[in-house]
Amino acid sequence: DTAVSQTPKYLVTQMGNDKSIKCEQNLGHDTMYWYKQDSKKFLKIMFSYNNKELIINETVPNRFSPKSPDKAHLNLHINSLELGDSAVYFCASSQDTLQVLAGVYNEQFFGPGTRLTVL
Amino acid sequence: AQSVSQHNHHVILSEAASLELGCNYSYGGTVNLFWYVQYPGQHLQLLLKYFSGDPLVKGIKGFEAEFIKSKFSFNLRKPSVQWSDTAEYFCAVKRNTDKLIFGTGTRLQVFP
Repeated sequence: DTAVSQTPKYLVTQMGNDKSIKCEQNLGHDTMYWYKQDSKKFLKIMFSYNNKELIINETVPNRFSPKSPDKAHLNLHINSLELGDSAVYFCASSQDTLQVLAGVYNEQFFGPGTRLTVL
Repeated sequence: AQSVSQHNHHVILSEAASLELGCNYSYGGTVNLFWYVQYPGQHLQLLLKYFSGDPLVKGIKGFEAEFIKSKFSFNLRKPSVQWSDTAEYFCAVKRNTDKLIFGTGTRLQVFP
């Protein structure tokens, strides 16, 4: 009964390829995120979707394109992969709507991560 | 610019030692504060959170944190660490509907 799941867990690919990482959450949350964790463990948000609508788009190359087919899924597609894209990518979700009324503390639940290695 | 600072980058302790990890942020106004832990090779898990009310927050696994508004701090503490506490610890701050900002993390190594 994994709350936030990602596939694949490991992804090794050549420079220039196109790849996708999938994320699904079964928590009923309305907001999903993608984070990048670099080799120094620094976590930085890339994108955030609320009810399938893009609400945060950090300074990320347009080779990265998130897609949210529904509230429970947020996929990340990466075109023309570069060496610098090697990192661990974490998906997360939270409940942002009516949080105060519901007594929800807006914490984010993270997926297990996808370790991307670009050769 | 808004930021979250964790001044201890790497902490090495023996089992049973006490732990305090610093976290400072630069936002004004109301904030939500979090500590996440990342065990080796695993994803981030929430240790504890502060939303409002009692500034001393109890979390899982014997951790606690104290929100001191005047110091813009949310330090994490544990009176007696265990080898299994070896992990990376991240402080994070969120203001209203803004994005969650993470600190740079503190690597804790506990030796038996």
